Amino acid sequence: AQSVTQLDSHVSVSEGTPVLLRCNYSSSYSPSLFWYVQHPNKGLQLLLKYTSAATLVKGINGFEAEFKKSETSFHLTKPSAHMSDAAEYFCVVSGGRGSTLGRLYFGRGTQLTVWP
Amino acid sequence: DGGITQSPKYLFRKEGQNVTLSCEQNLNHDAMYWYRQDPGQGLRLIYYSQIVNDFQKGDIAEGYSVSREKKESFPLTVTSAQKNPTAFYLCASSIRGDNQPQHFGDGTRLSIL
Repeated sequence: AQSVTQLDSHVSVSEGTPVLLRCNYSSSYSPSLFWYVQHPNKGLQLLLKYTSAATLVKGINGFEAEFKKSETSFHLTKPSAHMSDAAEYFCVVSGGRGSTLGRLYFGRGTQLTVWP
Repeated sequence: DGGITQSPKYLFRKEGQNVTLSCEQNLNHDAMYWYRQDPGQGLRLIYYSQIVNDFQKGDIAEGYSVSREKKESFPLTVTSAQKNPTAFYLCASSIRGDNQPQHFGDGTRLSIL
């Protein structure tokens, strides 16, 4: 079965410093992985997607994530945090044998706080 | 612009009352989903539909019902059997198939009076 574990429920950084949000996944086969962002009282917006092409995936707003099969990780990074990055971030896995067609499996989320 | 529209944004329910949340999409997507979001629990799947006139239960379907009579619409009814309905409800849609990203509406917040 597919699942994801977001290792930190809260992360706080100062504006201009790097961001690291950690995610480990479990999947029987090569999965597709996503990161989504959610601002308060809003829906989720897709940041980036990995589907077995390049292991380093670039997304919107300067975010990127690296797929490491040996570590079963898909951590999200950004070189320099901006105040507007403050939001909740979800790591998501899809696909693979044993999954239901089209289903996504969500982590519990990481709340990112950015201090001025 | 293409997207997903959820209405209303805020909804209040009295004890013993059924309420229906609307979800409409103009992305021409075959698949649609309903999620419930509670603080610290991520998103939990209530129901999903891969095609018109067909839908399946997700992980927490008890106390909810759906219909899929049109490709564009996937309304969710929260019945009186759902004992703890206070939550943020999100609707999503996608191209049918594995590994497709889902596109989300802005949600409906349901509260009990």
